[in-house]
Amino acid sequence: EVQLLESGGGLVQPGGSLRLSCAASGFTFSRHAMSWVRLAPGKGLEWVSSISGSGGSRYYADSVKGRLTISRDNSKNTLYLQINTLRAEDTAVYYCAKEIGEDIVLMGLFDYWGQGTLVTVSS
Amino acid sequence: QSALTQPASVSGSPGQSITISCTGTSSDVGVYNYVSWYQQRPGQAPKLMIYEVRNRPSGVPDRFSGSKSGNTASLTISGLRAEDEGDYYCNSYTSSSTVIFGGGTKLTVL
Repeated sequence: EVQLLESGGGLVQPGGSLRLSCAASGFTFSRHAMSWVRLAPGKGLEWVSSISGSGGSRYYADSVKGRLTISRDNSKNTLYLQINTLRAEDTAVYYCAKEIGEDIVLMGLFDYWGQGTLVTVSS
Repeated sequence: QSALTQPASVSGSPGQSITISCTGTSSDVGVYNYVSWYQQRPGQAPKLMIYEVRNRPSGVPDRFSGSKSGNTASLTISGLRAEDEGDYYCNSYTSSSTVIFGGGTKLTVL
């Protein structure tokens, strides 16, 4: 059974940093691209970033480029998202999501999602 | 890049059919078949309902179907049931090697 479990969210002051983690199980982690998608209060889903199975290719939304770094450790079956210089508009539930196909760099077809971790940016 | 355009809300009675549209551009929906649809209920994670325009993952009822014409993709739900209520999002791969979501549509079953 595929499972994705996010952690690392919390209350952070503006300008602070946070690292989110997503522990994966139930599939061959290294063969699937992984992504982060967020849901801000009162808004819709927003794609944030994706990384290929090998970690060699990374993609970012323009709205977060330069402040976020996606990475993965295939030996630990874990996906990460480092968020720097946090802003109020980064407040959201952050989901990790698995790409449906194997050995695909990015298509945006997400067949499994975690339950999300809440990031609140406030002083 | 602006979000794909979806109606803010749709509604229907049990047993009826509804269609949710998702309009993009020639840089995303119009040029790629990497369009998918997700259902999200309050407090829950999104669930994949349709991928690659018209394919259903196992376990998704065949009441759910997808299609595309030009820059617009559509999700049709036939034989509406109360459990279909929730928010529905489309997304698409783009020519900039990014992914874009629609603004979401709230489905109400009357």
